[in-house]
Amino acid sequence: KNQVEQSPQSLIILEGKNCTLQCNYTVSPFSNLRWYKQDTGRGPVSLTIMTFSENTKSNGRYTATLDADTKQSSLHITASQLSDSASYICVVSAGASKIIFGSGTRLSIRP
Amino acid sequence: EAGVTQSPTHLIKTRGQQVTLRCSPISGHTSVYWYQQALGLGLQFLLWYDEGEERNRGNFPPRFSGRQFPNYSSELNVNALELEDSALYLCASSLGQGLTYEQYFGPGTRLTVT
Repeated sequence: KNQVEQSPQSLIILEGKNCTLQCNYTVSPFSNLRWYKQDTGRGPVSLTIMTFSENTKSNGRYTATLDADTKQSSLHITASQLSDSASYICVVSAGASKIIFGSGTRLSIRP
Repeated sequence: EAGVTQSPTHLIKTRGQQVTLRCSPISGHTSVYWYQQALGLGLQFLLWYDEGEERNRGNFPPRFSGRQFPNYSSELNVNALELEDSALYLCASSLGQGLTYEQYFGPGTRLTVT
């Protein structure tokens, strides 16, 4: 069964600290993996997209990693800011026509 | 360049009624996707249209339907509304067919069924 599991479900950290969000998937055949940021009540915005052959991809303070062997991905946020408070969603595409969303990690940054 | 637009922003309907949600993709994008996001839950894939045809459908009952017009805009129709249909409905568009293309999301339509 195609599944995407994210952890933790929610996370609270202090402004300026780093954090890492996890995504484990059992999806076949794997096409690509995306991380999205979704502010409350708004549509998701893409942070990174990674294919099978990519191990690391950065977008500013966001760095995503992918281990295709263990089927794990992580999103590392450096020097967090209040505007990073959002839900972070891991999305895996299987083949050409199936897309599976994780349930997201809700991140809160405290001043 | 304008992003994906959706209308209306908010909608309140009564159980049993029907509703139509609208989406205009980014200019040049041919694929449109619909998702449901119930409060506190993850996105659930509803429908995918490309070049006017339904390409894939999520695990939703037939009372969820839609179409894509020649200008690539799309409608999502929900018949016989139920309380659990209350959710944020998101539309996304992509430049090409297939999930290797980046999806750009609209702001969503918040549907409340009472």
